[in-house]
Amino acid sequence: AQSVTQPDIHITVSEGASLELRCNYSYGATPYLFWYVQSPGQGLQLLLKYFSGDTLVQGIKGFEAEFKRSQSSFNLRKPSVHWSDAAEYFCAVGLPSDYKLSFGAGTTVTVRA
Amino acid sequence: DAGVTQSPTHLIKTRGQQVTLRCSPKSGHDTVSWYQQALGQGPQFIFQYYEEEERQRGNFPDRFSGHQFPNYSSELNVNALLLGDSALYLCASSGFRRGYNEQFFGPGTRLTVL
Repeated sequence: AQSVTQPDIHITVSEGASLELRCNYSYGATPYLFWYVQSPGQGLQLLLKYFSGDTLVQGIKGFEAEFKRSQSSFNLRKPSVHWSDAAEYFCAVGLPSDYKLSFGAGTTVTVRA
Repeated sequence: DAGVTQSPTHLIKTRGQQVTLRCSPKSGHDTVSWYQQALGQGPQFIFQYYEEEERQRGNFPDRFSGHQFPNYSSELNVNALLLGDSALYLCASSGFRRGYNEQFFGPGTRLTVL
């Protein structure tokens, strides 16, 4: 069955430390991959996307993600976290033959001083 | 450049009532998708509208219906509201130039059903 999995429900990280959020997918073909961020009570903001080509993609707010076909993963990283990065992060998948996005359950990031 | 806008911001209804939510897409986009996000969960796809027609539908009952207008704006209607319909309803827009999968979201409408 097709699925998107974010294994970590909640991550706490110190300000200035690095952050990595995991995303795994199970699809027959390589899908389009996205990371969105949602601040409390807000909509979703697109951080970055992967369609094809270079497997390391750069996004906004200093985030990057690496696509690994062999591991069916698309992990999000940030070298140095700021307090404003505290939010909910969602990995999403789309297919070229489809129009909808399928989302993981999300990872809540808490940043401690 | 205005992004995706939604109205109202919040809404409180009682069971059995009907509700209409509205969305205006980002400039240059012709496609609108609707998602339901229950508390603590990821968004779930309801349906997508393109050229004033429902192009694709998720696993939602017929109580959920929609409409798209010639100016590409859209409405989501929910009839016979249930307590379980309480959620954040997100509208997303997309267009041909950057691909219909690259979707930009509005701030959402928070619906509470009592």
